[in-house]
Amino acid sequence: DGGITQSPKYLFRKEGQNVTLSCEQNLNHDAMYWYRQDPGQGLRLIYYSQIVNDFQKGDIAEGYSVSREKKESFPLTVTSAQKNPTAFYLCASSIGPGGPGYTFGSGTRLTVV
Amino acid sequence: DQQVKQNSPSLSVQEGRISILNCDYTNSMFDYFLWYKKYPAEGPTFLISISSIKDKNEDGRFTVFLNKSAKHLSLHIVPSQPGDSAVYFCAAAGDTDKLIFGTGTRLQVFP
Repeated sequence: DGGITQSPKYLFRKEGQNVTLSCEQNLNHDAMYWYRQDPGQGLRLIYYSQIVNDFQKGDIAEGYSVSREKKESFPLTVTSAQKNPTAFYLCASSIGPGGPGYTFGSGTRLTVV
Repeated sequence: DQQVKQNSPSLSVQEGRISILNCDYTNSMFDYFLWYKKYPAEGPTFLISISSIKDKNEDGRFTVFLNKSAKHLSLHIVPSQPGDSAVYFCAAAGDTDKLIFGTGTRLQVFP
């Protein structure tokens, strides 16, 4: 079955530590995205990548970094510079412009204590 | 600047009745609109979409209406069922693949 996998489901980290969230897809999609969901704020775009070895900042990229070394993988690192990292993080992929929309992963709940 | 707005954070509807969820947008370059459904601690799942060349698209109990002159779209669910209780996001896209999401409306369908 094709899909998009985020791991882990729940993640706890101490304040000041960097943490990397995994996102893998086997849909052969070119484009991948990271969103953050906070209560009452909907889905906000952190970073996106439309092709391997290329990515762009979204609306709230500060304190985050990404890489896209393989088509299947788009890991997100939440750095210590992110002021409010506790949130629900969603990864998505799509075939690209003109496609039918995104396929989302099941999300990772990050809690920083 | 919120380009896609869902002004009702929540909606409560009795089972069997119609649910109407609304969405407004400001960017006239948007030409493709989608609705996603999301349960807690899960990723959103695609529900229904509409292109700007249409004003209505129907899929079973779900119908999306688009009013381009008003920059408004709505999702109708008829009849509403308890399993429809979730958060619904509308999203819009223009000449890029990047989707802009609204803030979501929490629908509760009660018996």
